[in-house]
Amino acid sequence: GNSVTQMEGPVTLSEEAFLTINCTYTATGYPSLFWYVQYPGEGLQLLLKATKADDKGSNKGFEATYRKETTSFHLEKGSVQVSDSAVYFCALSDALSGGSNYKLTFGKGTLLTVNP
Amino acid sequence: DADVTQTPRNRITKTGKRIMLECSQTKGHDRMYWYRQDPGLGLRLIYYSFDVKDINKGEISDGYSVSRQAQAKFSLSLESAIPNQTALYFCATNDRAGETQYFGPGTRLLVL
Repeated sequence: GNSVTQMEGPVTLSEEAFLTINCTYTATGYPSLFWYVQYPGEGLQLLLKATKADDKGSNKGFEATYRKETTSFHLEKGSVQVSDSAVYFCALSDALSGGSNYKLTFGKGTLLTVNP
Repeated sequence: DADVTQTPRNRITKTGKRIMLECSQTKGHDRMYWYRQDPGLGLRLIYYSFDVKDINKGEISDGYSVSRQAQAKFSLSLESAIPNQTALYFCATNDRAGETQYFGPGTRLLVL
């Protein structure tokens, strides 16, 4: 079945450092790809997504590009802030029977801590 | 007001007890999901429902049951709780047109 592998954490950075969180996937077909963020004590929020190859999703200074050739969707940010401290999940959409229904398959999550 | 709400937010129960977790949404979405989150394991799908009459098992449904009482309400039950069901439980929704899911704030469950 489809699966998502993301780099294990925790990741600890200083404020204004560059961030990369690696994510690779295994899938049949061409799923949509997502990054979700979970701030302490909260549910998951969609951070960005890309629906086809070479698409770049971006939001709040974060970016990720859908790379079909390397089956990757790495998350990057040029200058992290303390407020970016959270758990980040990479996910892909799995089509279910009928073709118009989907479920999400998640990676295990990466804890990011940004120190002042 | 939050679009997806879960009650209770925290619950402590004992082994063997029956417990129900509730989820309500005001987004008007057809599809609803229950996940559990365990440290180092990410989120795993327990059950999902595409409408009131359509309920499906996810990858880890054993020991759980669900009820879709209305389009806006989807409840998860543990018939006889056991300690390895201690986890953070999330409800999520999405509409018929989209793949993006919207999550509730979670219920933290501790089974002693």
